[in-house]
Amino acid sequence: GAVVSQHPSRVICKSGTSVKIECRSLDFQATTMFWYRQFPKKSLMLMATSNEGSKATYEQGVEKDKFLINHASLTLSTLTVTSAHPEDSSFYICSAPPGSGSTDTQYFGPGTRLTVL
Amino acid sequence: GQSLEQPSEVTAVEGAIVQINCTYQTSGFYGLSWYQQHDGGAPTFLSYNALDGLEETGRFSSFLSRSDSYGYLLLQELQMKDSASYFCAVREGGSYIPTFGRGTSLIVHP
Repeated sequence: GAVVSQHPSRVICKSGTSVKIECRSLDFQATTMFWYRQFPKKSLMLMATSNEGSKATYEQGVEKDKFLINHASLTLSTLTVTSAHPEDSSFYICSAPPGSGSTDTQYFGPGTRLTVL
Repeated sequence: GQSLEQPSEVTAVEGAIVQINCTYQTSGFYGLSWYQQHDGGAPTFLSYNALDGLEETGRFSSFLSRSDSYGYLLLQELQMKDSASYFCAVREGGSYIPTFGRGTSLIVHP
């Protein structure tokens, strides 16, 4: 099946710093990628939809100036958590539908565990 | 909008059969997907049902009844490694973004 990678897998940073998370589709092109946030024992919360060549679409309640998304190419989307605070500590996961365009099958990256001290 | 309901936790013994239910409310409906997520890992796609009936893939089967807005994931010959969270997801008509349920934690005991 399709492979999505995420980097880094874990990051620990100080409060006030910015952290960039990369999401890559390794063997297919993804014009759309999704960014999720997940708290322990909770479901996936969609943060935003990343669109190649255009602005990301953010879900209600998600600060676009805090969570910057850039879909630089057909295989790469980045999420930058700006001025991170301890409450931003979470598991961030990206996903992409396969090249056919159907979003009923999502291929997820392995996730990034962010800890803000 | 849409909402999904699934049990928060299910326990079973190794070798048994377990069914995880999912009911949904949507305005328009494309299909129901199931994902598995182990602790600390990312969700992996298991199955997708767009039409009524049972889809079988090895030990896992997924069922959908569109008229009842209901589906389930059936896991047979349970193994310890099946202990994980299982999420159902639906895509509402007119949207290309799936919505995930809260997840069911499956605990398999020896």
